[in-house]
Amino acid sequence: QKEVEQNSGPLSVPEGAIASLNCTYSDRGSQSFFWYRQYSGKSPELIMFIYSNGDKEDGRFTAQLNKASQYVSLLIRDSQPSDSATYLCAVFQASTLGRLYFGRGTQLTVWP
Amino acid sequence: DTGVSQNPRHKITKRGQNVTFRCDPISEHNRLYWYRQTLGQGPEFLTYFQNEAQLEKSRLLSDRFSAERPKGSFSTLEIQRTEQGDSAMYLCALATSEAFFGQGTRLTVV
Repeated sequence: QKEVEQNSGPLSVPEGAIASLNCTYSDRGSQSFFWYRQYSGKSPELIMFIYSNGDKEDGRFTAQLNKASQYVSLLIRDSQPSDSATYLCAVFQASTLGRLYFGRGTQLTVWP
Repeated sequence: DTGVSQNPRHKITKRGQNVTFRCDPISEHNRLYWYRQTLGQGPEFLTYFQNEAQLEKSRLLSDRFSAERPKGSFSTLEIQRTEQGDSAMYLCALATSEAFFGQGTRLTVV
């Protein structure tokens, strides 16, 4: 059973819209949750992380965590064409020596 | 700049050849991870070092793979007798409160 699931996409939104990316995880012991952005052919780039229930905002990005539902999301407001990339959700479990478990990623396209 | 340098950035090799990748943290970090990412997938854990000690290896790391971290600084990942299925991006990551990845090494086995 996969540990981290993401909506497969691809997701396509117009410029200026809100893009919503979703992720569920299976292990209730998961402690921290990360969102990475990955442009084609490049390595993942950390956008933000969250470890407490609720919302965390950073500029145009908002991460939302609901541990009871084992659900984490990323909202991108005022989407720009430069946001077009694959977004990876990752989960951290201290019991596994700090390694990250990744979803397959959701490909986002923002069209002008 | 994530504080991690990986070399080479790209490697094309013939099946059956050996290849070695290197990961250089710019500053000292106790924990260093190797991941592999194939097309359309998220990164998958390969192995983990705490200083120079290799503490965990994934089942993905067959006996053709070996990793080292002498002196607890840079790390190398070697693949012997490469196979086409080894074609992937190999990522090195440092763990602080969040994991930062190097630029990766793209391996193509032909």
